[in-house]
Amino acid sequence: GQSLEQPSEVTAVEGAIVQINCTYQTSGFYGLSWYQQHDGGAPTFLSYNGLDGLEETGRFSSFLSRSDSYGYLLLQELQMKDSASYFCAVSRISGNTGKLIFGQGTTLQVKP
Amino acid sequence: GAVVSQHPSRVICKSGTSVKIECRSLDFQATTMFWYRQFPKQSLMLMATSNEGSKATYEQGVEKDKFLINHASLTLSTLTVTSAHPEDSSFYICSARGVPDTQYFGPGTRLTVL
Repeated sequence: GQSLEQPSEVTAVEGAIVQINCTYQTSGFYGLSWYQQHDGGAPTFLSYNGLDGLEETGRFSSFLSRSDSYGYLLLQELQMKDSASYFCAVSRISGNTGKLIFGQGTTLQVKP
Repeated sequence: GAVVSQHPSRVICKSGTSVKIECRSLDFQATTMFWYRQFPKQSLMLMATSNEGSKATYEQGVEKDKFLINHASLTLSTLTVTSAHPEDSSFYICSARGVPDTQYFGPGTRLTVL
């Protein structure tokens, strides 16, 4: 089967750094993505790791270790607007089409 | 990033009616689009993969006769919820596959079946 695990909730204060972990079990693993979703909105793409290591995009960074089936999203200099749900998603190869399987999401609450 | 639109953004219908949701990729051609459903406070569940010019591939447990998918062009996929019932009320989101192996999501359609 396939499964992804991430914490259900995380709370942090403005200006802090927070790390959201994601562990996965899946066959046909291709890469790990992170998406942000605000209440009532659609997911927006944040970051993608196809290879081991760290990818940095502004205040957000994402890390992948294929050997550990583990990744994380790092958010720095937290702002109130970062309060949202964050989903890790595994890309799987199925035939000629890549599919995304989403984790259950982590609700991040940023406090003043 | 790429732009994907959905129409309508919100629809309320009576039980037993059919509802069509359109998903368009506005600035790129998408041979593959995906349809997801999301219930409140839950994750996105992949319903089906829509391939231009061929039949959709449905995930296990998704009724293909109830959720009709048509991908008639490289920029348009439609999802029709047939004979909708209150339990079909949900947030339906489409996405289009881009590069590198990312998906660009539409804004979603909130369906309420009375």
